[in-house]
Amino acid sequence: ETGVTQSPTHLIKTRGQQVTLRCSSQSGHNTVSWYQQALGQGPQFIFQYYREEENGRGNFPPRFSGLQFPNYSSELNVNALELDDSALYLCASSSPRTDQETQYFGPGTRLLVL
Amino acid sequence: GENVEQHPSTLSVQEGDSAVIKCTYSDSASNYFPWYKQELGKRPQLIIDIRSNVGEKKDQRIAVTLNKTAKHFSLHITETQPEDSAVYFCAAQTTGTASKLTFGTGTRLQVTL
Repeated sequence: ETGVTQSPTHLIKTRGQQVTLRCSSQSGHNTVSWYQQALGQGPQFIFQYYREEENGRGNFPPRFSGLQFPNYSSELNVNALELDDSALYLCASSSPRTDQETQYFGPGTRLLVL
Repeated sequence: GENVEQHPSTLSVQEGDSAVIKCTYSDSASNYFPWYKQELGKRPQLIIDIRSNVGEKKDQRIAVTLNKTAKHFSLHITETQPEDSAVYFCAAQTTGTASKLTFGTGTRLQVTL
């Protein structure tokens, strides 16, 4: 198992609500990436945080936002939830040195939007 | 942006046989290619990776090959076992700033007795 943890494990929300998901990175890792994995599909990149700054973003609307804290843990916030936001949300931590950018995933948060 | 295609989408093999999963990528700047195994309800787990300065890498029953010219890479599993049954994802990444992983669509491998 990796040292990456996520909370909560499961969450049920209704359309229009807001949600905050949390991720603690592996010791020594200063970069956190967030991915959305819809059922039966591969993970899709949402954004990445490096040293508390957003460091790249995928094709997701602004209602997906995030934070990274001084201890490198991170939050993913989603506003105005839509039914299609139902998915497994994965965070991955890494350390972007030349040969150590391998991303290690947390167990994910399964979000269901009703 | 990068696009990764993965085939086949499902693969059924008998225990002891070999399994091969193939991926192609589009961005010649991609230089790191990990493979993840995801069991039902669990996190993607890194099983092997290869960097663009290497053509082949092996770890016990698992090997990965990379053809940079053709922009394709493959996962080979030999002597398959029932515990190899899972969904396998290939991915491509350009290391450096904002180094996101672009995943393939996954291959569901079933190893039958």
